[in-house]
Amino acid sequence: SQQGEEDPQALSIQEGENATMNCSYKTSINNLQWYRQNSGRGLVHLILIRSNEREKHSGRLRVTLDTSKKSSSLLITASRAADTASYFCATDADGGSNYKLTFGKGTLLTVNP
Amino acid sequence: DVKVTQSSRYLVKRTGEKVFLECVQDMDHENMFWYRQDPGLGLRLIYFSYDVKMKEKGDIPEGYSVSREKKERFSLILESASTNQTSMYLCASSSTGFLVQPQHFGDGTRLSIL
Repeated sequence: SQQGEEDPQALSIQEGENATMNCSYKTSINNLQWYRQNSGRGLVHLILIRSNEREKHSGRLRVTLDTSKKSSSLLITASRAADTASYFCATDADGGSNYKLTFGKGTLLTVNP
Repeated sequence: DVKVTQSSRYLVKRTGEKVFLECVQDMDHENMFWYRQDPGLGLRLIYFSYDVKMKEKGDIPEGYSVSREKKERFSLILESASTNQTSMYLCASSSTGFLVQPQHFGDGTRLSIL
């Protein structure tokens, strides 16, 4: 089944630096979503970008989408220790179910104080 | 605020037992989902439900069943628990829209089968 794949698998940075995570997927989508998961907790929705959008911002988050390359990136600016978490992209399937998402395996981000 | 509540954070059961995991949402969402999350494998969809009494298999339904008798509650049942079902189980819900809507997750149940 279609699946987003995040890159890198793990990322370690210093507080105040920017963090960039990438997601690639295989087939056409209607939208792509990013989620965060703190250790031992459930996933929290961060941002949704539609296939006809190229960039979206929410606070310190910036998401881009390139449908020609079937890829997305999540940029977290001025990172904080509290941003330490796993980040997942999730895709729907164009022409598929209108309620089902497929999640990637995630990027583990560590922000060192 | 949106809330998805899973009945247990941690659960320990024995091989062969019938295990029930419960999930309740307070957002009047039509869709509910059960995932399992394992290191290196990410989230895998077990079952989902798009309406009361309606269900569809996900990617890994073997060894599991589900029940949705009321809109707010979605139960995952391990018919005869086995050690390879030791995992983190996550429940989620979403509304129905023209496009796939964001999912809201509970905090998970870490299930150990001995």
